[in-house]
Amino acid sequence: DAGVIQSPRHEVTEMGQEVTLRCKPISGHNSLFWYRQTMMRGLELLIYFNNNVPIDDSGMPEDRFSAKMPNASFSTLKIQPSEPRDSAVYFCASSLDRVSYEQYFGPGTRLTVT
Amino acid sequence: KQEVTQIPAALSVPEGENLVLNCSFTDSAIYNLQWFRQDPGKGLTSLLLIQSSQREQTSGRLNASLDKSSGRSTLYIAASQPGDSATYLCAVKDRNAGNMLTFGGGTRLMVKP
Repeated sequence: DAGVIQSPRHEVTEMGQEVTLRCKPISGHNSLFWYRQTMMRGLELLIYFNNNVPIDDSGMPEDRFSAKMPNASFSTLKIQPSEPRDSAVYFCASSLDRVSYEQYFGPGTRLTVT
Repeated sequence: KQEVTQIPAALSVPEGENLVLNCSFTDSAIYNLQWFRQDPGKGLTSLLLIQSSQREQTSGRLNASLDKSSGRSTLYIAASQPGDSATYLCAVKDRNAGNMLTFGGGTRLMVKP
């Protein structure tokens, strides 16, 4: 398996622009997680899907952030409009929906908003 | 709310040393604990997963222990090598949070040749 796939790997955009990050989970995994990592705050969970349904979005910082999972093999995280403080590395992870199972992380998208 | 703490935040050791990384958590009602490695600019790689019913897990030179009642886990690295240099993160999956993980802040390890 190719593992969790994220695109793009790097994104540089100007403040106010819309940013869309993409994730393809491991085939067969039915839980998907979006995280954000910064030096100041470490790794934070933004939102978590189970069987394509958002279960917990309490970590989404503002209404500017939205996430969708239209099918089992694809998810997007959108920021509109983007701000410089959104600059971070965004990770997607997937697992089986079994509490005993590991989470597997993608390589991340490094977002820079100028 | 679960809180996970890792001490020390950074560690520098000479090659060959055995070392211990610490992880503590406030709520002992967990399903499992997972140790990850993160290289600079890279994603997280899962190293070991310990279920709440287990006391330890081993993989090569790595050994992770879990003392759920005291809210502690340790990651033991034997005969450290420069290639072990990375940030090590622990994360717990607790019974009040479904399938979500709560991460510690990580320990940045440097192994000097």
